[in-house]
Parts: sequence; C-alpha cells; structure tokens
Amino acid sequence: KAGVTQTPRYLIKTRGQQVTLSCSPISGHRSVSWYQQTPGQGLQFLFEYFSETQRNKGNFPGRFSGRQFSNSRSEMNVSTLELGDSALYLCASSLGQVFGELFFGEGSRLTVL
Amino acid sequence: GNSVTQMEGPVTLSEEAFLTINCTYTATGYPSLFWYVQYPGEGLQLLLKATKADDKGSNKGFEATYRKETTSFHLEKGSVQVSDSAVYFCALFQTGANNLFFGTGTRLTVIP
Repeated sequence: KAGVTQTPRYLIKTRGQQVTLSCSPISGHRSVSWYQQTPGQGLQFLFEYFSETQRNKGNFPGRFSGRQFSNSRSEMNVSTLELGDSALYLCASSLGQVFGELFFGEGSRLTVL
Repeated sequence: GNSVTQMEGPVTLSEEAFLTINCTYTATGYPSLFWYVQYPGEGLQLLLKATKADDKGSNKGFEATYRKETTSFHLEKGSVQVSDSAVYFCALFQTGANNLFFGTGTRLTVIP
C-alpha cells in the first residue's frame, strides 16, 4: 500500500512569492492534515480536511490556505512568502475515525530567501 | 487548553542502555496519547498509543503507560540500539479538536 506522497520534496522561493504544496493521502483515507515543523516552534497544526471540508484550522495567518479535492488529494498554498515561512511542511492522512493515528509523508522542505 | 511538555534533549546513550523520555500533558477531559518517532530525513511515524487511563502502549521494545493521576506518558525502552537514534515526539489528541498537539521533541543519539 503506497504511503503519503508529498511533492515537491524541496523548493526554494524568494520573499513575496507564493508556493503550492501537494499531498496524496493513503488510498481510502479521507482526512488530510497539514503541519509546519521548524526548529524554533516545533510541530504546529495548520489545518485538517475531511471529505473536502476544512474541519479545523490552526493559528496561522490567512496567507496559509488549503483545499481538498474529491479524490482526497490536498494542496496547501502560502502567499506572499516571508523568511519565517522556511520550514518542513508535513502532510498526514488518516481514516478520520481512529483519532490521532496519523500517517505522515516525508514532507516538503521550503526555503525562503 | 491542551499542551504537551517533553523532556529537553538531546539525549545521548550507549547501546544497550535504558531509556526514559519524560512527557506530561495538560488537557480537559480524557485525551488519547501518542508517541511518534522521526528518523533522519523522514516524516513522523506512529510508535505507540494509549487511549485511556492505565493503558500501556508498546511497540519495538518501547513502552509507555497512560497515567491520569500524574498526567504523564513517559517513554521507556530497556535496551536501546543504534537504530533507535531519532527524534521522539509525545502528542495528545483531544476529541473535537481534530488535531494532534505535539511536544517539542527529544533527540536521541545512541552510540555503539
């Protein structure tokens, strides 16, 4: 069974640009969550989608947005990039019923210059 | 609110040593508790879980017991291996919140 796939794995952007990250969940998983991981702040929850609906959102500015498609694939977008957005962005999927048991992808490492 | 406090790292142990990584939590109600592990260059993997008080989660020689009276979920392993070198995250899930609250992570290095 294929795991959670995130693309791209690495990317470099400059301040003010925008970026879109993609996540393909495990087949059959309907819940997709996004987390930001930085050395200073650790793992912070961005948002969670279930069946194309955002069910929960973390404490991030509106520049961070996401969506989920009917096949459960998800994208997150960050507009007007800032240096502080440099981080590893992790996507996780779950069945949505076994709470807390998340399956994580390897992440997309974003560097903002 | 919900929060998780983990033992500060890094932790360096010799192979076959005993490991304890402390984790305490603050939550309303009865959360589920988890340990996740992140190996170098990889995403997080679920290591073990416990969903109610006095439950013991175990996997790959690691154990943790859900202690409601001390709001703790300490991770232990009797004999660590070099392959256990990773970052370990304690986390809680609160029903209704739909997300995990993570501790800051503890980096473990095991030397031969």
